[in-house]
Amino acid sequence: SQQGEEDPQALSIQEGENATMNCSYKTSINNLQWYRQNSGRGLVHLILIRSNEREKHSGRLRVTLDTSKKSSSLLITASRAADTASYFCATDATSGTYKYIFGTGTRLKVLA
Amino acid sequence: DTAVSQTPKYLVTQMGNDKSIKCEQNLGHDTMYWYKQDSKKFLKIMFSYNNKELIINETVPNRFSPKSPDKAHLNLHINSLELGDSAVYFCASSQGPQGLPQHFGDGTRLSIL
Repeated sequence: SQQGEEDPQALSIQEGENATMNCSYKTSINNLQWYRQNSGRGLVHLILIRSNEREKHSGRLRVTLDTSKKSSSLLITASRAADTASYFCATDATSGTYKYIFGTGTRLKVLA
Repeated sequence: DTAVSQTPKYLVTQMGNDKSIKCEQNLGHDTMYWYKQDSKKFLKIMFSYNNKELIINETVPNRFSPKSPDKAHLNLHINSLELGDSAVYFCASSQGPQGLPQHFGDGTRLSIL
């Protein structure tokens, strides 16, 4: 079954607002990654958080990880129209393998 | 400079045909991947090669055959194409099999008529 599932499926906000999207997974992980996909393009890596980390920042991005709840959140602050894209979390499926499972993503639309 | 490039970008073909998609990366990575993204945006790994050796082989019909002639190239050949093969196929690469992170190409949109 699918490892990572993003919530909400779609999100529409005004420019300047913050956007929060969540990812839940089922089994223990070593790492969790967030990726962005612009329409018609490939995925671009945003941030990696390891299972022993609780929070990471990168520019306007803030990622949290709660391994007890098997969930992660991605916060984009002061959103811009250029942030319009789909956002995916990816988790390593099983300890000892290098297979990453992606969810179906959150489609974010930032209105100018 | 394109880091991971796939050709062709679009592929429209008839059911039953055989087609190939090529992928090349100029990042010096030793691990390459093929993913399939369906119409609902679900991205599923198909294969992974590390130093030309197959390390991930998901439950994929044997009509799909990957080939890695060297570390910088990973091609995907598909025999007897079916309607359900319509999807976007992404190639990716990473330094090391841990995939942290992966660099993706822009995809090949395969449409079966």
